[in-house]
Amino acid sequence: KAGVTQTPRYLIKTRGQQVTLSCSPISGHRSVSWYQQTPGQGLQFLFEYFSETQRNKGNFPGRFSGRQFSNSRSEMNVSTLELGDSALYLCASSFVWDGDNEQFFGPGTRLTVL
Amino acid sequence: GQQLNQSPQSMFIQEGEDVSMNCTSSSIFNTWLWYKQDPGEGPVLLIALYKAGELTSNGRLTAQFGITRKDSFLNISASIPSDVGIYFCAGLGNYNQGGKLIFGQGTELSVKP
Repeated sequence: KAGVTQTPRYLIKTRGQQVTLSCSPISGHRSVSWYQQTPGQGLQFLFEYFSETQRNKGNFPGRFSGRQFSNSRSEMNVSTLELGDSALYLCASSFVWDGDNEQFFGPGTRLTVL
Repeated sequence: GQQLNQSPQSMFIQEGEDVSMNCTSSSIFNTWLWYKQDPGEGPVLLIALYKAGELTSNGRLTAQFGITRKDSFLNISASIPSDVGIYFCAGLGNYNQGGKLIFGQGTELSVKP
């Protein structure tokens, strides 16, 4: 069974631009969560989607948004990029979100904002 | 943001030694997860714990879910060079509590051959 895939793996943008990252969950998994990882803040929860609905959201500004499609694939978008948005963006999928299921991570997208 | 207190932050050990790391929280979790992350990759799930007091092993790894549901530890026995990496604990509440993974700051493990 294929794991979680994320595209692209690396991205370089400049301040003010916007970016869209993609995540394909493990087949059969319906929940997709997104995390931001930086050296200073560690791993921080962005949001979680289940059946095309955002069910949980972390403490990030509205510039960070996401969506999920009917095939459970998810995208996250960051608008008006800032230097501080440089990070590794990870998505994780789980079978059913009931609070007791493991989350499996993809390799991440390394975003650099210049 | 909210984080678990994970210690130690880093460890330098000799190959063959045992390793222990732990996480504590002021909040109760329903699930504890332990991950390992290599440079440039996403975290890989090592062990999942679902019940208070549960002790689970995965090869040379052993982890326990604390009785109070506010802590967990991970032990690695007879370390080998490929154990090098960053280990994260993560707590998972239930849906009504937000249902998001809360991560520790990580323990960076270095193993000297």
